[in-house]
Amino acid sequence: RKEVEQDPGPFNVPEGATVAFNCTYSNSASQSFFWYRQDCRKEPKLLMSVYSSGNEDGRFTAQLNRASQYISLLIRDSKLSDSATYLCVVKIYNQGGKLIFGQGTELSVKP
Amino acid sequence: GAVVSQHPSRVICKSGTSVKIECRSLDFQATTMFWYRQFPKKSLMLMATSNEGSKATYEQGVEKDKFLINHASLTLSTLTVTSAHPEDSSFYICSASPPWGNTGKDEQYFGPGTRLTVT
Repeated sequence: RKEVEQDPGPFNVPEGATVAFNCTYSNSASQSFFWYRQDCRKEPKLLMSVYSSGNEDGRFTAQLNRASQYISLLIRDSKLSDSATYLCVVKIYNQGGKLIFGQGTELSVKP
Repeated sequence: GAVVSQHPSRVICKSGTSVKIECRSLDFQATTMFWYRQFPKKSLMLMATSNEGSKATYEQGVEKDKFLINHASLTLSTLTVTSAHPEDSSFYICSASPPWGNTGKDEQYFGPGTRLTVT
């Protein structure tokens, strides 16, 4: 079983749609959680950290359920510029703080 | 914000040669840097953790004699792919975290990556 698993993509949605990505992690020592965005042939860039209380940043909302070891990302009113691969990432402190990446979910927003 | 650079951004080399990739933290000191590899349509896979002043910690299945890591200063880590072969062709990315409390954020900053093609 992979340590971090995401919805298989790709997601193809029209502009303005709401899209949700799901992610589960298996290592209970995971202590920090993130969503990164990666554009084609570029490095990942941090989209947002994910907190237990849930957090929102504009059109993006992230949720964390530690009991279920589940993370989600909701994108509202999607834009063409949201097209990218979204990576669910966990940080494991008892392993030197390394990041474990999910396989990514590709999003394509169409006009 | 914190910036990490990599050099070169792209390299093409012949099979059997060695290639060195540099990763620099530009505005902070990093005692730990991470090296990842990404194949097309795949996610990032951690190769090794680079520790300033000591040996790197390699992930299972990564050959330490093949991928030499040197972290000689607090702002520079290098990855050398020795005797490169076509199967080593990949996107290599490094990352570093500012010291806790430097930015107030618990995140890693990624370099722009190095695309290696071995012919």
